[in-house]
Amino acid sequence: NAGVTQTPKFQVLKTGQSMTLQCAQDMNHEYMSWYRQDPGMGLRLIHYSVGAGITDQGEVPNGYNVSRSTTEDFPLRLLSAAPSQTSVYFCASSYSGWGLTNEKLFFGSGTQLSVL
Amino acid sequence: GQQLNQSPQSMFIQEGEDVSMNCTSSSIFNTWLWYKQDPGEGPVLLIALYKAGELTSNGRLTAQFGITRKDSFLNISASIPSDVGIYFCAGQLRGAQKLVFGQGTRLTINP
Repeated sequence: NAGVTQTPKFQVLKTGQSMTLQCAQDMNHEYMSWYRQDPGMGLRLIHYSVGAGITDQGEVPNGYNVSRSTTEDFPLRLLSAAPSQTSVYFCASSYSGWGLTNEKLFFGSGTQLSVL
Repeated sequence: GQQLNQSPQSMFIQEGEDVSMNCTSSSIFNTWLWYKQDPGEGPVLLIALYKAGELTSNGRLTAQFGITRKDSFLNISASIPSDVGIYFCAGQLRGAQKLVFGQGTRLTINP
């Protein structure tokens, strides 16, 4: 049981480049989400999904796209990277989906992204 | 958006000391949670609180859901070196499908 797996662990991009951060979970969790962590800012929600085919915006969605074609995967896309997107990105999932509590998040180990 | 104010932002203590940290908000939360993040890892859930006034323990950790539903406290007794890390509070608004996190408290322990 691998839990929540994020790839890559580290990534360096140039401004304007695009890339996809991968997230997969093998716990059959309905709820998945992406956070970014910046010093002094805590964890801020980017996008989340309560089930396959359903996504919604979080607190800081601009510059990021997501899709949820399967229960297991929830990739985060940066279409045109900017230095302001330099951060540590965490994917998290939980048991419950729409209409149920989903507070017990299981986090991946993070992706450290630098945009030059 | 909703904000949680977590304090202190950092703590430097001696091994064996007790630790206290708290989170406050202007909003009423349905659920309060405390997570710990070790270096290079994602946060891990420590304690979840669901009722106003609830006091819950997990080993040397004790957390409380404030009576007003707008705050929560975490205490660590007799700190040990493995307690080092960043502690986050998180709250869930009633009916919301997302958590709001505090800024984190970085705990450093001198042996």
